[in-house]
Amino acid sequence: KQEVTQIPAALSVPEGENLVLNCSFTDSAIYNLQWFRQDPGKGLTSLLLIQSSQREQTSGRLNASLDKSSGRSTLYIAASQPGDSATYLCAVSPYGQNFVFGPGTRLSVLP
Amino acid sequence: ETGVTQTPRHLVMGMTNKKSLKCEQHLGHNAMYWYKQSAKKPLELMFVYNFKEQTENNSVPSRFSPECPNSSHLFLHLHTLQPEDSALYLCASSQDPNGGLTYEQYFGPGTRLTVT
Repeated sequence: KQEVTQIPAALSVPEGENLVLNCSFTDSAIYNLQWFRQDPGKGLTSLLLIQSSQREQTSGRLNASLDKSSGRSTLYIAASQPGDSATYLCAVSPYGQNFVFGPGTRLSVLP
Repeated sequence: ETGVTQTPRHLVMGMTNKKSLKCEQHLGHNAMYWYKQSAKKPLELMFVYNFKEQTENNSVPSRFSPECPNSSHLFLHLHTLQPEDSALYLCASSQDPNGGLTYEQYFGPGTRLTVT
C-alpha cells in the first residue's frame, strides 16, 4: 500500500528566503506526482505535475524534482513571499490507482 | 478560479437532516471525484466517476450517496450523518483515467460541512 509522508509538518521562514519542502513515498512504481497548495478552509490549487519519466518541472519561482528510485520529491520555492503562506500537499499516483495524498507541510512566510 | 465550482460553500445540518452537495466542472473532463478532508488527516478519496460510471467506492458508509447524472455534474447526497462526518468535502475533476493512467486533478473550493 502506497504511503506518502511530508517533512517538515510545519515551517516558518523570513521573507526572501529560499526553501525546500520534502515528500516521500513508499512505492516507487508511480505514474505521476502532483504538488498542490491549499489556503486555509479552501480547495487545492495545482502547482506542478511531474510525469514518472520526468525529473523536474518549473513554474515561476517553483521547481519540483522527482527521484523515483529513492521515493522522493522536493518542492523548491525561491525568494519566498508572505503570499506563499499556505499548506503544500504532494500526491502520488500509483499506476492503475488514484492519487494518494500526503498530510501536507504548513508554510508561514514572515514579513 | 479552477473551473470547478461547489455549492453550498458552508452547510450546517442536524443528524436527522437530508442534504445534498453539488459540484460542477467546466473543463470538459470526464472523471470526477469526491474527497473528504478532516482536521489533521490526509485527504481521503471517497468516490470516483468516469464517464458517469462509478469506478471506485473507497469503503464509504451508505449515509453518503453519490450521483453523477452527466460528466459535468456530481452530487453527494447526505442523510443521517454523524458529528464525526464534519469535514471539508472537496470535488475534483480530470481527464478520464483511461487504462490506469491518471491525470492532473483540478479541485473546487470545497463545502465546509458541520453536523450537529
